[in-house]
Amino acid sequence: SQELEQSPQSLIVQEGKNLTINCTSSKTLYGLYWYKQKYGEGLIFLMMLQKGGEEKSHEKITAKLDEKKQQSSLHITASQPSHAGIYLCGADPWGASGSRLTFGEGTQLTVNP
Amino acid sequence: EAQVTQNPRYLITVTGKKLTVTCSQNMNHEYMSWYRQDPGLGLRQIYYSMNVEVTDKGDVPEGYKVSRKEKRNFPLILESPSPNQTSLYFCASSFLRGFANTGELFFGEGSRLTVL
Repeated sequence: SQELEQSPQSLIVQEGKNLTINCTSSKTLYGLYWYKQKYGEGLIFLMMLQKGGEEKSHEKITAKLDEKKQQSSLHITASQPSHAGIYLCGADPWGASGSRLTFGEGTQLTVNP
Repeated sequence: EAQVTQNPRYLITVTGKKLTVTCSQNMNHEYMSWYRQDPGLGLRQIYYSMNVEVTDKGDVPEGYKVSRKEKRNFPLILESPSPNQTSLYFCASSFLRGFANTGELFFGEGSRLTVL
């Protein structure tokens, strides 16, 4: 089965600082999904990456998928308290259908004002 | 408002007492799925459905049943709950593009279940 490892497990930053969260797969990724979760609440879709080398941005969040399609990074520029939450990467170990999404354990982000 | 609605949001029950967690979406999504979230184990898929009357097992289906008789509803049934099913449950839905999920899952707000 495909395992997704996220690092770091938790991160505390000062408001305004940049940060990066990594997601590494044991197998080639057909699609890599980034979600954000506020504690105890549902997940909110951030973005999906499919092609090696692909990069997408949404507001101050940029996600990249490496050329080998086994690692993705999520970068937040000039962090704000609203960025706080749990960031999860997800992938479908069975291919590109996305029907069997599995997730990493998440990275807990705290942004101190 | 487009949303995925789960009920109940919180439930404390006892071992063996059958319960159903309902999930309803108003976005005409073909795909629906149930996940459970546990500390140290992350989100794990229980069951999923690609369309009406089409359901399949996820990674942790034991002890659960589902049905998809209508497109909008995807209830999760615990026939005989046990304490190891104490968890935070999420329902999610999405459009399908051909045979592929579009990737943007819409999640409900979660149902926190405690089995004593």
